[in-house]
Amino acid sequence: AQSVTQLDSHVSVSEGTPVLLRCNYSSSYSPSLFWYVQHPNKGLQLLLKYTSAATLVKGINGFEAEFKKSETSFHLTKPSAHMSDAAEYFCVVSDRDSGGGADGLTFGKGTHLIIQP
Amino acid sequence: DVKVTQSSRYLVKRTGEKVFLECVQDMDHENMFWYRQDPGLGLRLIYFSYDVKMKEKGDIPEGYSVSREKKERFSLILESASTNQTSMYLCASRGGLNGYTFGSGTRLTVV
Repeated sequence: AQSVTQLDSHVSVSEGTPVLLRCNYSSSYSPSLFWYVQHPNKGLQLLLKYTSAATLVKGINGFEAEFKKSETSFHLTKPSAHMSDAAEYFCVVSDRDSGGGADGLTFGKGTHLIIQP
Repeated sequence: DVKVTQSSRYLVKRTGEKVFLECVQDMDHENMFWYRQDPGLGLRLIYFSYDVKMKEKGDIPEGYSVSREKKERFSLILESASTNQTSMYLCASRGGLNGYTFGSGTRLTVV
């Protein structure tokens, strides 16, 4: 079975400072990992995905994430936060062979990112 | 870009009503999904469909049914709405390698 743990339900940073959203996963197989962002009253938008190529993945809007197999982590970072980054962020693992959810996707519970002016 | 369109952004329904949530995708994807999103619980899969007229239960199918008569349209049906079905409902389609696209969501309130 697969699982995803987002270690913080809320993260608050000042505008212009670095962002770190933490995600740990467990999977029996080689997983695909994603970060999605959801702005208020909007659907989920894909930020980036890891699918067993380069371990450092660059996404949209200056975000990136590093896949660390030894630590089973896939933390999301951004060097400098912007007010428009305020949103809910979801870490997602996909491993269709292990059956984590009927569609192979397992969602974290989300991290609410707050940007202080 | 793939578009997934959910016909209603906000809905208010009464307890016991039959409710239809509609979702349409424009990229000929075979796989479509319905999730509900609740604070602190993330997204949970209700039903998914891998082809026309084919459907599979997800993790929380109780109280819901679905219909897929055409490839582009996937409907979620609440046979008799209850207050515990008040939630945000998200539709998604999948094409290519893990290429999920989500709709903007329908916020349903059952009173």
